[in-house]
Amino acid sequence: DIQMTQSPSTLSASVGDTVTITCRASQSISTWLAWYQQRPGKAPKLLISKASSLENGVPSRFSGSGSGTEFTLTISSLQPDDFASYYCQEYNSYPWTFGQGTKVEIK
Amino acid sequence: QVHLVESGGGVVQPGKSLRLSCAASGFTFNTYAMHWVRQAPGKGLEWVAVISYDGNNKFYTDSVKGRFTISRDSSNVYLQMNSLRGEDTAVYYCAKDAQVYLYGNVDSWGQGTLVTVSS
Repeated sequence: DIQMTQSPSTLSASVGDTVTITCRASQSISTWLAWYQQRPGKAPKLLISKASSLENGVPSRFSGSGSGTEFTLTISSLQPDDFASYYCQEYNSYPWTFGQGTKVEIK
Repeated sequence: QVHLVESGGGVVQPGKSLRLSCAASGFTFNTYAMHWVRQAPGKGLEWVAVISYDGNNKFYTDSVKGRFTISRDSSNVYLQMNSLRGEDTAVYYCAKDAQVYLYGNVDSWGQGTLVTVSS
């Protein structure tokens, strides 16, 4: 099974900051990677698929990059709505695996 | 607009069974694979199972193989959970695949249903 290592687990930042979350796969997954945002008590929301493809309606301050085993999610100019948890997930092969998650907190 | 509504969660004793249902609407259901993903209290997301658009192919995470069964009919997807354990306690989300006829990432989620396994 593919292991996804996500870091950091917690990130403290201020409104307007740019933050980066990293996800590393235990083997190459090409660009079969998605990023989700989850607010407390809510279902996850798809932000990015195919490593860098922004979903319709997702603000352009979110961006994804990477291929193979190294991936990043960058949030530029952090907004109050962005304080949430973020998960990467590979869909190269079953069983799918998620990263452990990153909680973005207000500093 | 995609609408997924889970039901069937509750409190169940270890070793017992429970069946979750997910009612789907707002899209051509029989052209998309469907997934179950769970989240233990205060923990991260864990993919559980997928069923192909036609119901002919199913995949499971190792920890539920032989205990859980995913199935579907014309507008619902189900998760039959047998021999439940404490570690199965979680919110269970029904989710729609993004790719028509194929497998891709998930692009829509239900609101989740809580399963608590406890004596």
